[in-house]
Parts: sequence; structure tokens; C-alpha cells
Amino acid sequence: GAGVSQSPRYKVTKRGQDVALRCDPISGHVSLYWYRQALGQGPEFLTYFNYEAQQDKSGLPNDRFSAERPEGSISTLTIQRTEQRDSAMYRCASSRGQGGTGELFFGEGSRLTVL
Amino acid sequence: QKEVEQDPGPLSVPEGAIVSLNCTYSNSAFQYFMWYRQYSRKGPELLMYTYSSGNKEDGRFTAQVDKSSKYISLFIRDSQPSDSATYLCAMGTGNQFYFGTGTSLTVIP
Repeated sequence: GAGVSQSPRYKVTKRGQDVALRCDPISGHVSLYWYRQALGQGPEFLTYFNYEAQQDKSGLPNDRFSAERPEGSISTLTIQRTEQRDSAMYRCASSRGQGGTGELFFGEGSRLTVL
Repeated sequence: QKEVEQDPGPLSVPEGAIVSLNCTYSNSAFQYFMWYRQYSRKGPELLMYTYSSGNKEDGRFTAQVDKSSKYISLFIRDSQPSDSATYLCAMGTGNQFYFGTGTSLTVIP
């Protein structure tokens, strides 16, 4: 596609529910990153993939968070048993090459609100 | 200590002014240095990218990296109202990239 596409754009859920956030990267981009951005803050690294392989998941806050990219294209970030502190903007970014050079192209984000 | 420190501002300047935005960092292994611009309710967009030390110029924008001081800067010449946005510095080793908190800039016509 023309840009990084994320869905849903807005998600409101009740505490304890599971949510799945989807990212469709720019066609042909090898690397895919997930970030979380709180209001007034910069993006905080969660995890990243080269093709289908999860290279680094050290930024995932706890084991309720997981991500996958099974065919090396679309990725899903799943949050189980959501808590109010999970409320944030979740941003996906993709990059042409593997290894990462910082030339990240960001999507519009998925805003999660946990009630 | 945070990996990247950035003054959040806000910064307000008259149109035509020169703007200087800065970040400091602690990890001497960082090799990739970026500046992103983020408009309200939008995702960050890459503005400038520098590998290792030195200067890079693109139109009205100049990025500087001083690895010895662990300090990076973005200069905007002849600032325009359309430059009003939040500017995020980012840097990393190629695996993780760390972002500053962003500096909010308003250019007043």
C-alpha cells in the first residue's frame, strides 16, 4: 500500500478484555516495529521484526503483550487481560531494510482506551 | 537516566526566525540519528537522518551530530508557520531506536 495502515484507529474496551491491533506495512518493507506513545511523550519501543522473525521483544512491558508477523507482512499486537494503564496510542512503523537504519515510516496509530 | 533527553518546550518563535532544537544522549554506541516531525493527531514523519557524526543539510533544515559530546541539534532557517509541529529526536544502534519526548514548536505569522 501507499503507507503504513493500522486498524482499528480507535478501540475502547473494558478492563480484562483482550484486544488485537493490526498493522499493514508498506509493501516490500522488511522490518516492522511496534511503539507505544503516551500523550506528550515520544514513542516507546515495544518490539520489532525482520520478515517474520521477531528480532527483539525486550520493550514489551509484560507477558500480557505479544506480537506476531506470521507471513512477514501484516503484524498483530495482542494485549491480553487489558488494564487501564495499557491505554495509549500504539504505533506501527516499517523500514525498507533489515537491521534497521532508523528510517521508519509510521502509521496513523491505534488509540486504545481501557475503561 | 533516560537514554535520550529532549527539552519539551513549548517553543514559540516569529516567522522567519532561526530555530534550534537539541537532544542529549547517554549511550556512546548510538550510530543512527534522526529527527522526526509530528503534526497534531498524526504519526511521526522522518525529517532528517544522519549516520555517525557530522552535519547534514536539506533545504532550510540542518542536522548536526557531535558524538564526543553526545549532543545532536536540528536547525530550521527562515521558519514558517507550516513548521509548527512537535519535533522528535531519535537515535539507536540499528536494533532499537530511542525517541526523545519531543519539542513543541509554534511559528507565529
